[in-house]
Amino acid sequence: AQSVTQLGSHVSVSEGALVLLRCNYSSSVPPYLFWYVQYPNQGLQLLLKYTTGATLVKGINGFEAEFKKSETSFHLTKPSAHMSDAAEYFCAVLSGYSTLTFGKGTMLLVSP
Amino acid sequence: GAGVSQSPSNKVTEKGKDVELRCDPISGHTALYWYRQRLGQGLEFLIYFQGNSAPDKSGLPSDRFSAERTGESVSTLTIQRTQQEDSAVYLCASSRRVSGAYNEQFFGPGTRLTVL
Repeated sequence: AQSVTQLGSHVSVSEGALVLLRCNYSSSVPPYLFWYVQYPNQGLQLLLKYTTGATLVKGINGFEAEFKKSETSFHLTKPSAHMSDAAEYFCAVLSGYSTLTFGKGTMLLVSP
Repeated sequence: GAGVSQSPSNKVTEKGKDVELRCDPISGHTALYWYRQRLGQGLEFLIYFQGNSAPDKSGLPSDRFSAERTGESVSTLTIQRTQQEDSAVYLCASSRRVSGAYNEQFFGPGTRLTVL
């Protein structure tokens, strides 16, 4: 069975600082991995995904993530945080070809 | 085009009452999913519909939960005899046909259910 662990329920950064949100997964098959963002009172929006091929994937809003099989990790990064990045971020792994298994989420707080 | 819509956006009910939550998927999307998001938790898969195939109900937490979908259109999630632990945001997602390859799931804004 697949599972996802996100380290840190809350991460605080200053505007302009590096953003690093950690995600580790377990999967019995080559994983499809995702990062979603959820703004207050909104649904989830796909930031980026890894399926096959290049292990460094770029997403929207300047975010990127690197799939590291040896570390079973898929950490999300952004070089310079912006106030508008404040939101909750979810890492997920695909189960089969259908349902997603999510981590518990990490709330990103950005201070001026 | 229009995204996934859900109604109501908020629902407050008393313990023991039944509730119905509605999801309108994106037109042309044959797959539909329900997830539950409890406070401080990630999203939990509840149920998955794919076209006219039998739904995958493996995530439903109890027999108080049920869902229906007619064809490839609207779905309703019903919770009978609601309990306080049912309080959560219920999210619906839809995607194109799943046939041996992943298709992106598009999420609705959710229904926030509060059971008093």
